[in-house]
Amino acid sequence: AQSVAQPEDQVNVAEGNPLTVKCTYSVSGNPYLFWYVQYPNRGLQFLLKYITGDNLVKGSYGFEAEFNKSQTSFHLKKPSALVSDSALYFCAVRDRGSTLGRLYFGRGTQLTVWP
Amino acid sequence: DVKVTQSSRYLVKRTGEKVFLECVQDMDHENMFWYRQDPGLGLRLIYFSYDVKMKEKGDIPEGYSVSREKKERFSLILESASTNQTSMYLCASSFGGGNQETQYFGPGTRLLVL
Repeated sequence: AQSVAQPEDQVNVAEGNPLTVKCTYSVSGNPYLFWYVQYPNRGLQFLLKYITGDNLVKGSYGFEAEFNKSQTSFHLKKPSALVSDSALYFCAVRDRGSTLGRLYFGRGTQLTVWP
Repeated sequence: DVKVTQSSRYLVKRTGEKVFLECVQDMDHENMFWYRQDPGLGLRLIYFSYDVKMKEKGDIPEGYSVSREKKERFSLILESASTNQTSMYLCASSFGGGNQETQYFGPGTRLLVL
């Protein structure tokens, strides 16, 4: 079975401070991993993905994520948070051995960046 | 840029009505998906399609059906709308295989069933 856990419903951070949004996953094989962001009343926007290679993935808007196979984690990070980063963030996983292209999403983490 | 459009941003329907939600993508993607999003529950997959006229049930297909007559269009049908189907509905599309697994989402349709 494939699943994603985002252990924090909410993350609050002051502007300028580093932020981390946590994600752990479970797949039977090797994973593809994704982060998406959703602004109010909008669809999801793709941020970054891990397919293979370097464990540190850089994405849009200064975000990055680190794939850790031993801890089955893919935490989203940013060195200096902006108020405009406030949004709902979703982690997703797919077993690369699966023949169907569906993703499994976490429940989301609401990030609030205070000025 | 990939563009996924949904026919309505907001929709209000009455209990028992038949409701059609339309999704169109312009990137020749093989895969298309319908999700519903509810607070605290994240995204739940209703149905997906990996080719024209092909469909697969997701995690919560009850009360829904889908249609994919053309590659670019994927319709979600609520046969008889109920109040518990009030939700945000999101459509997505992706290429059929390899590393091109990124799903691209439409803006969503917020459906209220009275």
